[in-house]
Amino acid sequence: AIQMTQSPSSLSASVGDRVTITCRASQAIRNELAWYQQEPGKAPRLLIYAASRLHTGVPSRFRGSGSGTDFTLTISSLQPEDFATYYCLHDSNYPRTFGQGTRLDIK
Amino acid sequence: EEQLVESGGGLVQPGGSLTVSCTASGFTFNSYWMVWVRQAPGKGLEWVANIKGDGSKKNYLDSVEGRFTIFRDNAKKSMYLQMNSLRAEDTAVYFCARDLTYVSDTYYYDAFDIWGPGTTVTVSS
Repeated sequence: AIQMTQSPSSLSASVGDRVTITCRASQAIRNELAWYQQEPGKAPRLLIYAASRLHTGVPSRFRGSGSGTDFTLTISSLQPEDFATYYCLHDSNYPRTFGQGTRLDIK
Repeated sequence: EEQLVESGGGLVQPGGSLTVSCTASGFTFNSYWMVWVRQAPGKGLEWVANIKGDGSKKNYLDSVEGRFTIFRDNAKKSMYLQMNSLRAEDTAVYFCARDLTYVSDTYYYDAFDIWGPGTTVTVSS
């Protein structure tokens, strides 16, 4: 199975900061990657699919990029509602695998 | 409103069986791949299984293959996960989600755009 490694595992930042989360695949997956946001006790929420396509209704401060093995999720100006855990997920083959998650906390 | 709701979770002994359900409303259920994702207490997300809109194709996580069966009843707009030979490590919140399946240049991309709130399965004696 393809392994997805996210970094950092946790991150502290302030409202208005720009933050970047990375996801590395153990083998090339073209652009077959999505990003999800999860708040505690809630279901995940789709942010980005096909590595860079913004899902409907997701604010433009979220940006996905990358292809092959290295991907990034950038939040350009953190808002209070962005403090959550973020996961990448590949869809290149089966089984799909998530990264271990990046917890974004308020500094 | 497009919505998914899971049900059927509960406490089951190791080696036991349980079937969880996911019921859809507000969209054409049989047009979409559907997926189960789980989350163990305090842990990350784990993809479990998916099924094509007409039920003709299914895929599983290696650790559940042969123990879990995903199926659907499109007339009831419902999807199910039958879980046998349950282990302690199967304890988790089980989420169902709709796969929007974005298509570009003959490639298909997963996009789990609608999620249910989850149902909790606890495997313990």
